[in-house]
Parts: sequence; structure tokens; C-alpha cells
Amino acid sequence: GAVVSQHPSRVICKSGTSVKIECRSLDFQATTMFWYRQFPKKSLMLMATSNEGSKATYEQGVEKDKFLINHASLTLSTLTVTSAHPEDSSFYICSASPQRTSGRMETQYFGPGTRLLVL
Amino acid sequence: AQSVSQHNHHVILSEAASLELGCNYSYGGTVNLFWYVQYPGQHLQLLLKYFSGDPLVKGIKGFEAEFIKSKFSFNLRKPSVQWSDTAEYFCAVTRNTGFQKLVFGTGTRLLVSP
Repeated sequence: GAVVSQHPSRVICKSGTSVKIECRSLDFQATTMFWYRQFPKKSLMLMATSNEGSKATYEQGVEKDKFLINHASLTLSTLTVTSAHPEDSSFYICSASPQRTSGRMETQYFGPGTRLLVL
Repeated sequence: AQSVSQHNHHVILSEAASLELGCNYSYGGTVNLFWYVQYPGQHLQLLLKYFSGDPLVKGIKGFEAEFIKSKFSFNLRKPSVQWSDTAEYFCAVTRNTGFQKLVFGTGTRLLVSP
């Protein structure tokens, strides 16, 4: 159980185009989904927190107009990199946290990541 | 700001050696603690977690970690490593409140030689 998928696994695009990445929780409902960015040989940096049915909360320094997040259902969140540039090339990882029943913090389960290369 | 430190960036061990990876955090309140592993070419997987109770936590694949509150530490251990343990290990912390923001350490790359 607790499987999270991401699509696509890798994408190459031209500078100036937009790219959409999907994150799905396959066997549980996720109240909250998270989007991270991982640079080579670096740790994961949280970009934003996405709650179903509400606006995402972005971390300091992350441009919300550039990284559009939509959490339309309890099993799907999308990240759209708008007008992508070469510096946006990175590994983007989502995670999902099961719907809470007790108010207790739940574990995050991670997707396999999407490697974006902007030419 | 809350931070997580992993002091060992690279560790090289022979098979059957014992492993201990350090993790320290800076937040003074109640925390939840995690160790995640990322095998080459694979996604992050949860090794073990601590929310409350027994500070010695046992995880998958023979790993365990001990929460020492006075030292703000959550070190990962395994008595005898295998070649298949070659991976990157991340310690992560979140506050024990409603918001689940995970703060990751910089990771430790473990190489186990056969």
C-alpha cells in the first residue's frame, strides 16, 4: 500500500514552453501533497504544500506564478512549470500524506520523481 | 529556522561492517523523525519513523534508530551492512503539529563494497 506515482518520469522541452507533471496517490486518499525539487548531490527542497480544494502554500523563494499547483482531487495533484527555462531543469518529486482521521501527523509517501530537462 | 544536519556526507564500508549515520536537528519542540532511503535509480522509501513512545525504533531491512532527546539526535544504525544497502540515506524531521512540513538533511551516500 501507500503508492504514489508520477507522470511523466522524464521530459525534455524547449525553453519557453510549459510542462505539466502529475502526482497520484494510487491506493489512498491524500489530503495533502507536497512538491519537492532535488538538485544533483543535494537534498530535497520543499517547493510547496498542496491541500485538496484550496490554494497551495509556497515556500519562500518559490515563484507561484511559475510553478502552478493544482490539487483537484484527493488522489491527484499537478505541478505546471510555466515558460520553462534551462535553470528549471531538475528532478521534481511529489509526496502524499494519507487523509487524517485522528489529527495525528501521517507519514509522507514519495513518488518516483520526474526529471525535467529544458533545452 | 528548523534544520537537520547529517555530518557524514559519504561513508564507505565493507560488507558485514556495522553502520551508524548521524542525524541532528535544531528544533526545540516536539518532533517527528524519519529516515528515508533512496536506492540508485529509485524513489525515496521510508526506512523507519519515530512519533512517540519507545525511543529505539526498528525499521525495515534490519535498520534501527535511536531518538535521544537531550542530544537532539536520531542516529541510524545497522549491525551488519550488505552490498544491497548501497544507497543515499536522508534524515527528516517535522514538528508534531498540524502542519506536516518535512525538513530534510543533506543526505549520506553509503557505498558498501562486497
